[in-house]
Amino acid sequence: GQQVMQIPQYQHVQEGEDFTTYCNSSTTLSNIQWYKQRPGGHPVFLIQLVKSGEVKKQKRLTFQFGEAKKNSSLHITATQTTDVGTYFCAGPIRSQGNLIFGKGTKLSVKP
Amino acid sequence: ETGVTQSPTHLIKTRGQQVTLRCSSQSGHNTVSWYQQALGQGPQFIFQYYREEENGRGNFPPRFSGLQFPNYSSELNVNALELDDSALYLCASSLGRRNEKLFFGSGTQLSVL
Repeated sequence: GQQVMQIPQYQHVQEGEDFTTYCNSSTTLSNIQWYKQRPGGHPVFLIQLVKSGEVKKQKRLTFQFGEAKKNSSLHITATQTTDVGTYFCAGPIRSQGNLIFGKGTKLSVKP
Repeated sequence: ETGVTQSPTHLIKTRGQQVTLRCSSQSGHNTVSWYQQALGQGPQFIFQYYREEENGRGNFPPRFSGLQFPNYSSELNVNALELDDSALYLCASSLGRRNEKLFFGSGTQLSVL
């Protein structure tokens, strides 16, 4: 069936280092969304990308949607301890439109 | 705060029992989606309700069922609980069928013993 895969599963960085997580879909997506879940919390919507090759920035976060609309990335510049959490990408199921989530990338930041 | 509330926050049940989880959607939202999140995993889609009708279902057995009420709040029912049903159950509300920008509640942590 349709899958959304993320790598890496875990990333440990020193505060101030950059971080990137990658998302790949087995099928073309109409859009891709990114969510952040803090430890013990619930997923919180970060952004939605719709257009092929789209790049969006939110302060230190840069989101990209691939030209083929099958992959995406999230890059954080100069990580801070507040960036700790699990980052999920999610895309709509082709036949239904409901969102399926990747397994996430868990980011830990050492001060 | 998302405005999506779930109850109860924690629940302990034994195998074979039945459970009902509740969700109040954010004001103005007419769509509710339910997800199951096992420890260390991503949310797995269970089903979605749009204007009181089921609008999509994931790969979950029929013992997982749901409802949406006229005020757009929702229930998730699980019958014949199994140990593997232990997980965080998340409710998310959104506007319309397009599944754009889900607002999640804090979840119900279900433990099945």
